[in-house]
This record gives sequence, C-alpha cells and structure tokens, in this order.
Amino acid sequence: QVQLQESGPGLVKPSETLSLTCTVSGDFISSQYWNWIRQPPGKGLEWIGYISYSGSTNYNVSLKSRITISVDTSKNQFFLRLRSVTAADTAVYYCARGDETVFNGMDVWGKGTTVTVSS
Amino acid sequence: DVVMTQSPLSLPVTLGQPASISCRSSQSLVYSDGNSYLNWFQQRPGQSPRRLIYKVSNRDSGVPDRFSGSGSGTDFILKISRVEAEDVGVYYCMQGTHWPPGTYTFGQGTKLEIK
Repeated sequence: QVQLQESGPGLVKPSETLSLTCTVSGDFISSQYWNWIRQPPGKGLEWIGYISYSGSTNYNVSLKSRITISVDTSKNQFFLRLRSVTAADTAVYYCARGDETVFNGMDVWGKGTTVTVSS
Repeated sequence: DVVMTQSPLSLPVTLGQPASISCRSSQSLVYSDGNSYLNWFQQRPGQSPRRLIYKVSNRDSGVPDRFSGSGSGTDFILKISRVEAEDVGVYYCMQGTHWPPGTYTFGQGTKLEIK
C-alpha cells in the first residue's frame, strides 16, 4: 500500500525559505509523478507543482519564480522549497502521487503538514 | 487560465436523499485524445483529500457506487444517490486537460452537510 508522509518545520519566518520533505513508501519514486498541493486555512486547494519520474518539473505559474521541487531516488523522497515566504504562504501542505495518466491528477495523498509563516 | 466554478457552495442534504454538485469550466475539457480530464475529490473534516472520480465518470477503487460522475465539454456533475453520514465534507472538481503548460485547476469546493 502506497503511503506518503510530509515532514518539515511547522514555523517559518517571513522572507525565509520553506523546506518540506515527502517520504514515499510502497512505491518507487522513480516512477510516475509526484506533486505538492497546499490549502490555506479555511480555503480551497492549490496545486503547487510536480516532479516526474524523469526528473522534469512543472510548476504553478503563480508560484514558479519561488519554487523548486527536487527528488532523491536513493531515499525515495521528494522535496519542496518555497523561497521568500509571506503570511500568504501559511497553509497545510500535501504531497501526493500522480496518476499513471498525468491528466488524471493525484491518486494517493499524504496526511499533510501545517506550515505557519510568522515572525 | 481555465477557471472551474462549482455550485452550490453549500449543500445541506437529508440522510438517504440524493445530492448533486455542478462543476463548470471556462473552457472545454475535451482533450485531443477525445477524453475529458475532470476529476472529483472528497475532503472529509480533518482529513486529506481523496480522489473519488477520474476522467469524468470512473470511480476510484473503494469508492461506493452511490457516487457517480457525468458530463461533457464544460459542464460536469457529481451525484450521490443516497447521502450517508460519512459523506459529510467538501467536494472539489479539478481539471487536468489544459496542462501543461498550464496547471491543474481546482473548483472552489462544495461543502456537503447533513440537515
């Protein structure tokens, strides 16, 4: 059974970099697509970006200048770095596996991790 | 960019009664392969989202058959034939057709509650 687990600091200061890790078990990260999605408090879902099995990335255009998604296949982990954060980046951050057919979105989600941006 | 608009945003339903959620896209979701890539997700209170339906009408494994999806072009519907207590939560549609170079786009969400 595929499982994803997010980890990282729960509190980040404004203007600093948010760094999160998603650890995948039950599947090889060198297959399919691996996504990050976020949900601000009381609001809806926003797709952040993905990294593919080939290492290519695709990012939400509204966040593209601040995002890096990378992968460590030896550890079966992928990562999110979001630079120059503000209070607007406060959210629950989810990692999710992409469907084999990329157009079908995400078929398995992690439980999410809460990140607060505050001094 | 494609905009996904759901209605209603709040849906009070009596247990055992049907429920229906509409999702409209600002552009047709028909891809060059003839498929429409419209997905539905359920987010129960305090939980992460779970995909229910992909490619308009295909139920994910383990999803009860009281959930069904339909539609084409720009108009799509998620139906629950008989609402149960465990169906309480927020439902999101998401398009995957206009991507890349665009992005996956979610609707605003519809909150289903029991009357």
